[in-house]
Amino acid sequence: GQNIDQPTEMTATEGAIVQINCTYQTSGFNGLFWYQQHAGEAPTFLSYNVLDGLEEKGRFSSFLSRSKGYSYLLLKELQMKDSASYLCAVMDSNYQLIWGAGTKLIIKP
Amino acid sequence: IAGITQAPTSQILAAGRRMTLRCTQDMRHNAMYWYRQDLGLGLRLIHYSNTAGTTGKGEVPDGYSVSRANTDDFPLTLASAVPSQTSVYFCASSDGLAGGPTDTQYFGPGTRLTVL
Repeated sequence: GQNIDQPTEMTATEGAIVQINCTYQTSGFNGLFWYQQHAGEAPTFLSYNVLDGLEEKGRFSSFLSRSKGYSYLLLKELQMKDSASYLCAVMDSNYQLIWGAGTKLIIKP
Repeated sequence: IAGITQAPTSQILAAGRRMTLRCTQDMRHNAMYWYRQDLGLGLRLIHYSNTAGTTGKGEVPDGYSVSRANTDDFPLTLASAVPSQTSVYFCASSDGLAGGPTDTQYFGPGTRLTVL
């Protein structure tokens, strides 16, 4: 079966750095997506990786290793507004997104 | 304002009733999707449409039906609601299905449905 694993919850301090990991096993691979979802709101797109390596976008970076079935989202200079759930999703060979359950990130002052 | 709209925002429904959740996008995206999101579970795909006039079943299609008469609208119908269909429902759309950033899905604000 297809599976996306990510930690259920993480806690970090304002101003610090946090890394949220995602491992996957899917039927084929056509890209990996990270989304942010604030409580009670819709998911919003953060990043897309299809090639191995690091993609940087401001305070957020996303890394992919296809051979290891592994990705991480790195958040720097954490702000209170970064408190949210972070969803990892992989597009399989049928171009359907397989979603992880999400990682709830709690930021403490 | 470009994007996806959903209606209603929330609804309480008696079991056995029929309900249609509406979804409209103005981005001229080819593909549209319906997901449900339950606490502790990832987004689960109910139905999808790769282009107007076509639909397909996702991971959890039982009890739901969809239609795609045009590019913009993608309604989801619960023929006879049951309590297990209590969930938050998200509609999404994407421009492409060929691999790449155009596969990025954009979400509507969601409909919170409670079936009693």
